[in-house]
Amino acid sequence: EVQLLESGGGLVQPGGSLRLSCAASGFTFSISSMNWVRQAPGKGLEWVSSISGSGGDTYYADSVKGRFTISRDNSKTTLYLQINSLRVEDTAMYYCAKGDYSDYGWYYGMDVWGQGTTVTVSS
Amino acid sequence: DIQMTQSPSSLSASVGDRVIITCRASQGIGNDLGWYQQKSGGAPKRLIYAASTLQSGVPSRFSGSGSGTEFTLTISSLQPEDFATYYCLQHNSYPQTFGQGTKVEIK
Repeated sequence: EVQLLESGGGLVQPGGSLRLSCAASGFTFSISSMNWVRQAPGKGLEWVSSISGSGGDTYYADSVKGRFTISRDNSKTTLYLQINSLRVEDTAMYYCAKGDYSDYGWYYGMDVWGQGTTVTVSS
Repeated sequence: DIQMTQSPSSLSASVGDRVIITCRASQGIGNDLGWYQQKSGGAPKRLIYAASTLQSGVPSRFSGSGSGTEFTLTISSLQPEDFATYYCLQHNSYPQTFGQGTKVEIK
């Protein structure tokens, strides 16, 4: 069974930092792209960042570029999101989600999601 | 960036009703679209991928159609467990973008 378990959220002051983790199991982590998606309280879903299976390609939403860094450790089957210079508007539930591919390598978007970890930015 | 316009933003329906939700992409995305269901307090769950392929384990009352710029999610006969918020997601190009969501409520 595919499982994703996020951790690392918490209450932090504006300008602070956090590192979120997503522990993965039940699939071949090293060949799967991974994603972070967030949801502010009462709002919709917002894609934040993606990383290829090797970690060589990374992508960011404009709203977080330069402040957030996605990375992965394939030996530990763990995905990370380093979030710096936090702003009040970064307050959200942060989900990690696994990328899905066809047998021919066509990207089918995100299939399995974790339960999320909450980040609250407040003074 | 590709914008996804989802409608309606909310709807009220009764058990047994047919429900249709639409997503329009600001430019063509082929069939690179998925539909997700999110129940209150829970993580999103994928229902449909590649615009029209039913995710394993998802009831057959859910179906998706469309390609290019116009997509629909249809629930053929709404059940009590279907009351939730639904989102479309385009993954044709970065940034991946979600529709604004459709909240399906009990009439």
